[in-house]
Amino acid sequence: AQSVTQLGSHVSVSEGALVLLRCNYSSSVPPYLFWYVQYPNQGLQLLLKYTTGATLVKGINGFEAEFKKSETSFHLTKPSAHMSDAAEYFCAVSRRTGANNLFFGTGTRLTVIP
Amino acid sequence: DTAVSQTPKYLVTQMGNDKSIKCEQNLGHDTMYWYKQDSKKFLKIMFSYNNKELIINETVPNRFSPKSPDKAHLNLHINSLELGDSAVYFCASSQDRDRDIFFGQGTRLTVV
Repeated sequence: AQSVTQLGSHVSVSEGALVLLRCNYSSSVPPYLFWYVQYPNQGLQLLLKYTTGATLVKGINGFEAEFKKSETSFHLTKPSAHMSDAAEYFCAVSRRTGANNLFFGTGTRLTVIP
Repeated sequence: DTAVSQTPKYLVTQMGNDKSIKCEQNLGHDTMYWYKQDSKKFLKIMFSYNNKELIINETVPNRFSPKSPDKAHLNLHINSLELGDSAVYFCASSQDRDRDIFFGQGTRLTVV
């Protein structure tokens, strides 16, 4: 069975500060890993994903995430927060084979303080 | 052009009614999905469907049924609506090999 844990349902950072959103997964085999962003009253937009290869992946809007197998983690970072980054962020996993269903974490709401 | 589009965006209805949410994707994908986001923002898969297989999450009540008239559409029918069905429902699609899942804007269903 797969599961995703996002530590911290709310994270607040000052504009220009480092953003760090934590995600840990549980899976019998390393899954595919995703970060999605949801702006208020919007759908989900894919920020980045890890499937194979380089463990540091870069996404849109200056975000990146690093897959650490030993820690079963896939934390999302951005060096300098912008007001427009305020949103809900979801970490998700899917199996490498079989049905392509995403299993989501409970989300982290990012607030950016001016 | 919107890649995955859902209609309506908002739906308010009374308990016991039957309603449908439409979904269309113009990405040429072979798999479509319905996800439910509850009041606590938790997202959960309801169905995944391609032209070969419908996979139903076992927790979904049989009042919910997906209908696919063709590869680009997957509509969600809900019978005998209950208060607990109030949520945001997201349609999504992917090309199986690629495994990137693209989401629609969501339909906020409110049952009163």
